[in-house]
Amino acid sequence: DADVTQTPRNRITKTGKRIMLECSQTKGHDRMYWYRQDPGLGLRLIYYSFDVKDINKGEISDGYSVSRQAQAKFSLSLESAIPNQTALYFCATSEATGEAFFGQGTRLTVV
Amino acid sequence: AQRVTQPEKLLSVFKGAPVELKCNYSYSGSPELFWYVQYSRQRLQLLLRHISRESIKGFTADLNKGETSFHLKKPFAQEEDSAMYYCALGGSNYKLTFGKGTLLTVNP
Repeated sequence: DADVTQTPRNRITKTGKRIMLECSQTKGHDRMYWYRQDPGLGLRLIYYSFDVKDINKGEISDGYSVSRQAQAKFSLSLESAIPNQTALYFCATSEATGEAFFGQGTRLTVV
Repeated sequence: AQRVTQPEKLLSVFKGAPVELKCNYSYSGSPELFWYVQYSRQRLQLLLRHISRESIKGFTADLNKGETSFHLKKPFAQEEDSAMYYCALGGSNYKLTFGKGTLLTVNP
């Protein structure tokens, strides 16, 4: 199922570097989300967008920014990466009924 | 505020035993509840949602508004059920909030 695609799949970057994670979807959904997954902490919402002109902070937005370039694209940026941002990042889309569809995840390591 | 609590981080059962994964929620409006499953090295996928009231892979979940719970149950666990399970709450704006997840291990 490649309806939600994340790039890159894996990335190692150095502390202080800027990095962008990209997400594209072919589901035609308006709603898009970025989550990070950490062991023992589950999925935590970073940012979400309900349409191209709508951007909302989630519970852990500090240190992150997003851009909704089009209905199908939602990118996540770390302006100055730090080691505690090492995590598995998931992009998701949802329809009006609420069911979410997830990308494969991006494993980010900040050294 | 939306909140989802999964009290068990880990749950281990033997094959053929019943399994129940607990989920409690906090939400002032009318909730939309989901269970998602993540098999090893795979993306999260929807297992079931309360509004459809269907059984998927033998799992069921009933929304109990009085107890604000949405526990996931299966009468006879299988080894292939071993995975991470997440309970999720969608509010009226459909912002999805996830619990911390429960790692289910089904032993042979």
